[in-house]
Amino acid sequence: GAGVSQSPSNKVTEKGKDVELRCDPISGHTALYWYRQRLGQGLEFLIYFQGNSAPDKSGLPSDRFSAERTGESVSTLTIQRTQQEDSAVYLCASSLTGKTYGYTFGSGTRLTVV
Amino acid sequence: AQRVTQPEKLLSVFKGAPVELKCNYSYSGSPELFWYVQYSRQRLQLLLRHISRESIKGFTADLNKGETSFHLKKPFAQEEDSAMYYCALTGGATNKLIFGTGTLLAVQP
Repeated sequence: GAGVSQSPSNKVTEKGKDVELRCDPISGHTALYWYRQRLGQGLEFLIYFQGNSAPDKSGLPSDRFSAERTGESVSTLTIQRTQQEDSAVYLCASSLTGKTYGYTFGSGTRLTVV
Repeated sequence: AQRVTQPEKLLSVFKGAPVELKCNYSYSGSPELFWYVQYSRQRLQLLLRHISRESIKGFTADLNKGETSFHLKKPFAQEEDSAMYYCALTGGATNKLIFGTGTLLAVQP
């Protein structure tokens, strides 16, 4: 596609429910990243996929968070048993070579846990 | 530990005034530094990289390893520069960007 696409753009969920967030990277981009941005805070790294290598999961805040990526295409970020502190904008980005010549960001998913 | 610090949450200047958005970093090796910008209702996008030594939209940033700083500067601010600016770094074997908390630049007419 022309850019990084994320869906849904907004999600309101009840505490304790599971949610799935989707990211469609730019075609051909081998690297894909998930970040979280809480209100008034910077971007917090969550997970990084590079080709067929094992993902870097070092930023996932708890075992309620997981992410998958099929080859070099779509990725889904799953949050189980959501908590109010999970409320944030979840941003996905992709890049061509895995080197940070510059990520292309999606417009994000705004998650609100009530 | 890798860390990026942007001490100002908000910087308000008048049109035509010089702008300096501060960024300091903590990193033990040789990092790559970036500035990202997010205009109202738009996506976060790359503004410039220290390695390319370029000027984008009149903005420049020089990496000062002695002061571990990468301040973003523009001699004459324009109203369209109003946006959220994030400083970020990466380095070593990792490919992930570490972001600062951002500075909101407001350029008054």
